Amino acid sequence: DVKVTQSSRYLVKRTGEKVFLECVQDMDHENMFWYRQDPGLGLRLIYFSYDVKMKEKGDIPEGYSVSREKKERFSLILESASTNQTSMYLCASSSPRGPKPTGTEAFFGQGTRLTVV
Amino acid sequence: AQKITQTQPGMFVQEKEAVTLDCTYDTSDQSYGLFWYKQPSSGEMIFLIYQGSYDEQNATEGRYSLNFQKARKSANLVISASQLGDSAMYFCAMRESYSGGYQKVTFGTGTKLQVIP
Repeated sequence: DVKVTQSSRYLVKRTGEKVFLECVQDMDHENMFWYRQDPGLGLRLIYFSYDVKMKEKGDIPEGYSVSREKKERFSLILESASTNQTSMYLCASSSPRGPKPTGTEAFFGQGTRLTVV
Repeated sequence: AQKITQTQPGMFVQEKEAVTLDCTYDTSDQSYGLFWYKQPSSGEMIFLIYQGSYDEQNATEGRYSLNFQKARKSANLVISASQLGDSAMYFCAMRESYSGGYQKVTFGTGTKLQVIP
């Protein structure tokens, strides 16, 4: 069974802390994504990666960075957490290979609800 | 500019009736993929259906079908014979491919569907 695992389901951090959200996939997927989900705003893409050490900014990268040192792991880093980063964070992975011409669908982790106080 | 537009924040449908959820997209790519996901109150993201830009037939998966109108850049989800368990958020998404081999997946703001007994 395919799996994307996020390290925490719930997280509470203080303003100014450095926060790491970890995501691991076991499907040998090339692409990995970090989104944040807020009511009324849908899923907004923060960063994505298509290979080890490769990263691209999404639509809302400010205040975030990412790291992909191994193919299966994609980390989202909040350098100095702020209250406006309180949100649900979703990690996903996909592959350009597969039965469909443009590859597989995106598989999601269970999400991390981050609260910054 | 918004790449994926879902104009219906919320919708109601009577049980056993059909419902159409709207999605329009914006891309200059020739090759792209369109997806629909369901997110129940539990928060998991469930893949429903996929349509490739070169597919001539509309995609169908059980009670789900995708009304793909390429010239109008729309990819509406049709759910037939609605069930109470269909009550959820529904997200439309698009995958685009870029030179360099990477793929980007962006989502709309979602439609909250409530099925009435």
